[in-house]
Amino acid sequence: DAGVIQSPRHEVTEMGQEVTLRCKPISGHNSLFWYRQTMMRGLELLIYFNNNVPIDDSGMPEDRFSAKMPNASFSTLKIQPSEPRDSAVYFCASSFRTGGQPQHFGDGTRLSIL
Amino acid sequence: AQSVTQPDIHITVSEGASLELRCNYSYGATPYLFWYVQSPGQGLQLLLKYFSGDTLVQGIKGFEAEFKRSQSSFNLRKPSVHWSDAAEYFCAVGAGYGGATNKLIFGTGTLLAVQP
Repeated sequence: DAGVIQSPRHEVTEMGQEVTLRCKPISGHNSLFWYRQTMMRGLELLIYFNNNVPIDDSGMPEDRFSAKMPNASFSTLKIQPSEPRDSAVYFCASSFRTGGQPQHFGDGTRLSIL
Repeated sequence: AQSVTQPDIHITVSEGASLELRCNYSYGATPYLFWYVQSPGQGLQLLLKYFSGDTLVQGIKGFEAEFKRSQSSFNLRKPSVHWSDAAEYFCAVGAGYGGATNKLIFGTGTLLAVQP
């Protein structure tokens, strides 16, 4: 079975550029989560969606970050403009909507902003 | 507020030795509890989960964890560690009440090193 698919796996870009990270959740899952992982701050939840609707975006660091889920099989996380402090590994995870369900993670996008 | 504490940042064990990774949680109701493992360059992989019932749960790769309500703990154990177990381990609790949310609260992780 296909797991959560993220693209690209690695992204290196210059400060000020727009960055778009993509995620395809597991088919049938109706919750999707975006996380950021850094050495300093660990694993942080940025935003999550239920049935394609954003439920909690309190973890989004600032207005430069935005996330969309236009349909049940695709989500994007966009950073515009990007800054060096945005360098991190970004993970997408999906699960069934029911409370207590485990989340299944993609392999992440390693983002480096120069 | 819900929280998860993993008191050990780094642990080193010898191959073949037993392992116990500690996890303490703060939660007002019966928690949903999880252990995940992250190998370098990979995402988090679910090892095991506790919802209810038997307090000793078995997971993949020979891991088990025991839920102790009186101690608010959910420690991860393995009787004999293999070199391939070297990774970072995360404990997580399901936030929210009555399934109102499926957000997870993660601990800060424990990095396990295995000596030959």
